[in-house]
Amino acid sequence: DTGVSQDPRHKITKRGQNVTFRCDPISEHNRLYWYRQTLGQGPEFLTYFQNEAQLEKSRLLSDRFSAERPKGSFSTLEIQRTEQGDSAMYLCASSRGRDEKLFFGSGTQLSVL
Amino acid sequence: QQQVKQSPQSLIVQKGGISIINCAYENTAFDYFPWYQQFPGKGPALLIAIRPDVSEKKEGRFTISFNKSAKQFSLHIMDSQPGDSATYFCAARKETSGSRLTFGEGTQLTVNP
Repeated sequence: DTGVSQDPRHKITKRGQNVTFRCDPISEHNRLYWYRQTLGQGPEFLTYFQNEAQLEKSRLLSDRFSAERPKGSFSTLEIQRTEQGDSAMYLCASSRGRDEKLFFGSGTQLSVL
Repeated sequence: QQQVKQSPQSLIVQKGGISIINCAYENTAFDYFPWYQQFPGKGPALLIAIRPDVSEKKEGRFTISFNKSAKQFSLHIMDSQPGDSATYFCAARKETSGSRLTFGEGTQLTVNP
């Protein structure tokens, strides 16, 4: 396993701009998750995919947020019209199945100025 | 609504001492309770996990104690080392949630040499 890879590691943007993050899960992991973590808090669930199907979305995922996993491999998370409150670490995780260990990437740190 | 409450917020322990972190949960539907360790700039990594059908699980220096009736569980780190200095998160998952984890607020552990 090469681990969960996230790109970019850091992103600074101005309020109102759109940003997109990429996550490459561990190969053959069919489940992929997005979490958001703010300073001093635990990660909060955003959404998850089983293969290419998005099966659950948190109410935290406003209509400005969209996630895709087009071929059941990598995933993208897009935030449109960013707000200062979107500043956080966006974490991606993957697992082989529901009862399998969850592996997290190192995250993308977003700063909205 | 904070479904998993963690304490203390920070903890300072001398090398060789025992670190104890506590969590309490509200939802009796939770069926899986992992602990994660996070170093600065990294994603959380699974340390140890327990299911409610056992009261204790030990892996090396790490032990989870689980009290189903009190809806509490704790992490004990024996012979704490400076390398254990990190943020620790408890989490919980509901059987019907599709692997969605609910995290506690985190405990910043510092082990002094």
